[in-house]
Parts: sequence; structure tokens; C-alpha cells
Amino acid sequence: DAGVIQSPRHEVTEMGQEVTLRCKPISGHNSLFWYRQTMMRGLELLIYFNNNVPIDDSGMPEDRFSAKMPNASFSTLKIQPSEPRDSAVYFCASSARGSFEQYFGPGTRLTVT
Amino acid sequence: GEDVEQSLFLSVREGDSSVINCTYTDSSSTYLYWYKQEPGAGLQLLTYIFSNMDMKQDQRLTVLLNKKDKHLSLRIADTQTGDSAIYFCAEVMNTGFQKLVFGTGTRLLVSP
Repeated sequence: DAGVIQSPRHEVTEMGQEVTLRCKPISGHNSLFWYRQTMMRGLELLIYFNNNVPIDDSGMPEDRFSAKMPNASFSTLKIQPSEPRDSAVYFCASSARGSFEQYFGPGTRLTVT
Repeated sequence: GEDVEQSLFLSVREGDSSVINCTYTDSSSTYLYWYKQEPGAGLQLLTYIFSNMDMKQDQRLTVLLNKKDKHLSLRIADTQTGDSAIYFCAEVMNTGFQKLVFGTGTRLLVSP
């Protein structure tokens, strides 16, 4: 079975550009989570969806960040405009209904110059 | 406090036992998890313990839970160089949704 799929794996962009990160959760999972990992701040939960509905976006740093989940098999995290301090590894994770176990994707390493 | 806390770093020799500690925040957490992150990869679920248990053993892994002190530990027996990674504990937050709160992570370095 395919795990959580994220694309791209690496993204290098210039400050001010729009960045879109993509995630395909495990088929049948009903919760999806976006995390950011940096050396300074560790692993931070940005937002999570349940049945495609955003439940808690209190971790989203600021209005430059937005996330959508138009259907059960796809989610995007968008940063517009990007800044150097957004450089991090962004992970997507999903979990099945009734389970707390989260399955992580391989991450997208974002570098904003 | 509100943070799940772990020591940042642990160094052991191959063949020794490793013990990674975690202090969590919510005494009513139903499940507690241990995840492993290898370099350049996402987090991988290692094991978990249900809150009504004191101990769980899974091959080389032993999880101990002290609910009174809100303390969780992961013991790795016969540690191998392939065990070198970052280990995260995580607790379930009783928000009604499937949210985990992760610790700060402990970097385990196993030397030959």
C-alpha cells in the first residue's frame, strides 16, 4: 500500500514567491495534518483536517499561510509570499477514523533564499 | 507546563541499552506513542502504550509508563548503529479529535 505522498520533495524558491506543497493521504484515512520541522522550533502542528474540514488552524504562523483540502485524497499548503524564515521541512500525516496513530509522509524540504 | 519534554541528546555504545525519557502533560491521555525519525525521512511509528498499562514490551523495545509522575520511557536493548535517529514521544490530547502533541525529540547517537 502506498503511504502518505508529498510533493515536491525539495523546493528552492526566492523570497516573495508563492510556494505550494501537496499531500495525498493514505486512502481511507479521514484526518490529515500539516507539520513544520525546524532545528530551532522542533516539530510544530500547523493545521489539521477531519473529513476535509479544517478543525484547528491555530498553528498556522500568519496569513501568508493557507491550507485546503478539496477532497479526501488531496491537500495543499500554500505560502504567499514566502520568506527566508519559512525554510523548513514540511510534513503531512494522516490517520484513520477512530485511530490516533498518524502516518507521516517523507516531507518537503523548503528553502527560501 | 504545556510542552511534552524530552532530553535533547543521548549517546551510547553499540550493544548497550538506551533509555529515552519523556514527561508529558495530560494525565488523562489515553495513548502515548513513540516515533522514530531517521535522517531525511518522516516520522515512523515505533510503538505505543495504552494508559491503563505500566509496561509494554515489543522485541528490543520496552515502554514504561508512570502515570502519577506523567513520565514515559523507551528502552532499547542491544542498541545498534541503525538505531541512531531522533525519537519523539507523543500524547493524545483529549480534544475530541485525533490530535497528537509531540515532544521535542531526543537525538540518539550509537557509536561502534
